[in-house]
Order: sequence, then C-alpha cells, then structure tokens
Amino acid sequence: DAGITQSPRHKVTETGTPVTLRCHQTENHRYMYWYRQDPGHGLRLIHYSYGVKDTDKGEVSDGYSVSRSKTEDFLLTLESATSSQTSVYFCAISEGHSPYGYTFGSGTRLTVV
Amino acid sequence: AQKVTQAQTEISVVEKEDVTLDCVYETRDTTYYLFWYKQPPSGELVFLIRRNSFDEQNEISGRYSWNFQKSTSSFNFTITASQVVDSAVYFCALSEQGAQKLVFGQGTRLTINP
Repeated sequence: DAGITQSPRHKVTETGTPVTLRCHQTENHRYMYWYRQDPGHGLRLIHYSYGVKDTDKGEVSDGYSVSRSKTEDFLLTLESATSSQTSVYFCAISEGHSPYGYTFGSGTRLTVV
Repeated sequence: AQKVTQAQTEISVVEKEDVTLDCVYETRDTTYYLFWYKQPPSGELVFLIRRNSFDEQNEISGRYSWNFQKSTSSFNFTITASQVVDSAVYFCALSEQGAQKLVFGQGTRLTINP
C-alpha cells in the first residue's frame, strides 16, 4: 500500500559515473523532496519540488540535480558521483504546506567506490 | 533560519525504565510545526507526532508522551516503561509555516537493553 516508492533500493557505482535515483508516488501530492542521511547529520534536504518543472535547492544541493516532468516522478541525478555522496537517500512527499506532514520512501543506499 | 538540535547522540537504558529524548529548536516564525519520527533498524522513517506552535498542550499516546514548551523552545519526547522494540533512532524535525520543507535534528540513537 506504499504511496511512494524509490528505485533502486541499493546501488554501487564508481567515482565519476552518473547516477539517477527515482522517486515515484501514487498520491498525487504536490510536493516532493530528496534528503540524504549521514551519521551525525540527521537528514539533510538536497532539493525539493513544488510542482511539475518547479524545483528549488536545499541545504546540500551541490553536485546534485533534479527533474520533475510528471507529478508522480521526481528524479535525483548525481552528474559525476564522488565518494562523499555515499549515503542513504530518502524521498518524501507532502500534499500541501507543513501542517499536512510528510511521507517518506524506504530509502536508497548508494555506495560510490 | 530553522535549526533543530538533539544533543543526545546515544542513550542506552534497561527495559522498563523511562527515558526522555531532548529536542531544542530555533525559528523566527511565530507559526511552525514540530515533528518526531522513529527510524527502527529496518531503516524506514515512521511518523510519530506533529504539533503546531499554537498548541502547547502536552500529548500522550500510550507509553509515549510529548512536552512542548515554547518558553524554552523545546519539544521533548518521553517513553514510559521502555521496551526492546523501542530501540531505534529518533528524529525531531521542524517546519516553518509556508517553508514547505522539513529540517531535522541529528537524531538520537536509543537502545533498550533486556
């Protein structure tokens, strides 16, 4: 019954290669987010989207780009992966402003070697 | 700017003890929302509670309770009679009105020993 799915769940890639992570929702929510989770830092916002083709940067956006061509899909791209981007990536969705809360995907574990 | 601080990196207690997880936040907005999430060893993020800045009533849900104090900018979480299944990382988070994004604290790893 998950309204939000992330793919892939796990990925190992080499330094310098491009990587795209996908977040797919079936809830028709307007807002979508990408976070990364690292020990000692909690979850930090990378980019978010407030509608189709409408995106904005979060606090750790360097080295990442995003695209949202359809309401249901939000893609996160690492143009040239580095070891510092080894992390667990979470996608989240929200149906409106902050009072409505956020639903998180199961996460993608990315390892850059 | 929004900021959330969870000063307790790790807490370890014996089962059935009560435990309190601290959360201190910073915001310039008068309208904001506070959250707690649980991340069990399986890794998913589980929503526990949302509180708005105009509601300072404490909340109790079973063994869980939350104490919101605007005077000290704190939103602490207490587990009463802890159980092994409560072992997880707990995150406090803040969202300002209209900010459309959630800012997390660093998390507290709670271990309940049998």
